[in-house]
Amino acid sequence: DGGITQSPKYLFRKEGQNVTLSCEQNLNHDAMYWYRQDPGQGLRLIYYSQIVNDFQKGDIAEGYSVSREKKESFPLTVTSAQKNPTAFYLCASSSGLNTEAFFGQGTRLTVV
Amino acid sequence: QKEVEQDPGPLSVPEGAIVSLNCTYSNSAFQYFMWYRQYSRKGPELLMYTYSSGNKEDGRFTAQVDKSSKYISLFIRDSQPSDSATYLCAMRKNTGGFKTIFGAGTRLFVKA
Repeated sequence: DGGITQSPKYLFRKEGQNVTLSCEQNLNHDAMYWYRQDPGQGLRLIYYSQIVNDFQKGDIAEGYSVSREKKESFPLTVTSAQKNPTAFYLCASSSGLNTEAFFGQGTRLTVV
Repeated sequence: QKEVEQDPGPLSVPEGAIVSLNCTYSNSAFQYFMWYRQYSRKGPELLMYTYSSGNKEDGRFTAQVDKSSKYISLFIRDSQPSDSATYLCAMRKNTGGFKTIFGAGTRLFVKA
């Protein structure tokens, strides 16, 4: 089955630690995205990538980093510089930058 | 003022009711309009995708866009308990690079 796989589903991190969230897609999509979702707020774009080895900052990129070494993979690292990292993180992909996006099931990150 | 406004609800209706979910927006450049359904602790799934003004129907769901009023709606006929979820509107421009804006979502409860 084609889809987007995010792992892990739940993640706990101690303050001061970096943590990497995985996102893999087998839809052969060129574009991939990372969003953050907080209660009462819309999805906010962290980073996006149109093509391998290229990515762009979204609205809230500070404290996050990404890489796009393979078409199917777009991992997100939440660094210790992110002041409020506890949130629900969603990865998405689309065939092109201006086509509808399909989402993974999310990773809930909690800082303890 | 947010670019996209969506009443967070919650909206509670009896089974079989017609549900109306709405979003307003301020940017007249938005051309593409989407509705996503998100179950608790899951990623959003695309329900409807429309371009410019008009109606689009898919089974029990109808999406309506009124660009003159900057107002979009999602109607759900014969609502079912399985429709209980958060509904997110989203929209983007046709040009000027990638920028999809999401509403905060409306929580819907359909009571059996």
